Amino acid sequence: DQQVKQNSPSLSVQEGRISILNCDYTNSMFDYFLWYKKYPAEGPTFLISISSIKDKNEDGRFTVFLNKSAKHLSLHIVPSQPGDSAVYFCAASVQGAQKLVFGQGTRLTINP
Amino acid sequence: GAVVSQHPSRVICKSGTSVKIECRSLDFQATTMFWYRQFPKKSLMLMATSNEGSKATYEQGVEKDKFLINHASLTLSTLTVTSAHPEDSSFYICSARPAHRGTGAFFGQGTRLTVV
Repeated sequence: DQQVKQNSPSLSVQEGRISILNCDYTNSMFDYFLWYKKYPAEGPTFLISISSIKDKNEDGRFTVFLNKSAKHLSLHIVPSQPGDSAVYFCAASVQGAQKLVFGQGTRLTINP
Repeated sequence: GAVVSQHPSRVICKSGTSVKIECRSLDFQATTMFWYRQFPKKSLMLMATSNEGSKATYEQGVEKDKFLINHASLTLSTLTVTSAHPEDSSFYICSARPAHRGTGAFFGQGTRLTVV
């Protein structure tokens, strides 16, 4: 049972434009959500997170939106840069638990 | 920021041998660490939760006798793949999360294991 889903395995965006990565979840107990960026043969790097008490969190070029009623979150990157090309994972956890449940990942390619 | 170091980054071993992977939290104490495995083009799959001073908690379907976990101190957890087989070849990643929940978990660099 895939509790966290990223339905787009890949996404191509032109440099300078906005990249929007989507993530859906099924477990209503999840209350903390995170986005990670991963390059090949490296561990994931934490990007940004959001608590379920918020619907938006912004950090520089990265903004995460949370729609609890739809059990959906998205990561916006604007403007997109070539260095943003990587695999992006969304992850979720339940309050008090450190264990993360990951989505399948979306490979983002930024084209010059 | 917090750093988690994993070693080795790459290892090739023969079938039947054992391989130990180390995961260290460099600037914070981690009573709990996590071991993940990533198959090609797949998500990170949690294998087990490593608890300092006690037994690890394994996810369903993960053989605890094959993947031995030792969390001997607040900064070190080890994963030993015993009697390795080619199907154990994968990318293994550890993570640890500082006590305050304002931050996400930090991951090691990962270990690419190839069993020949």
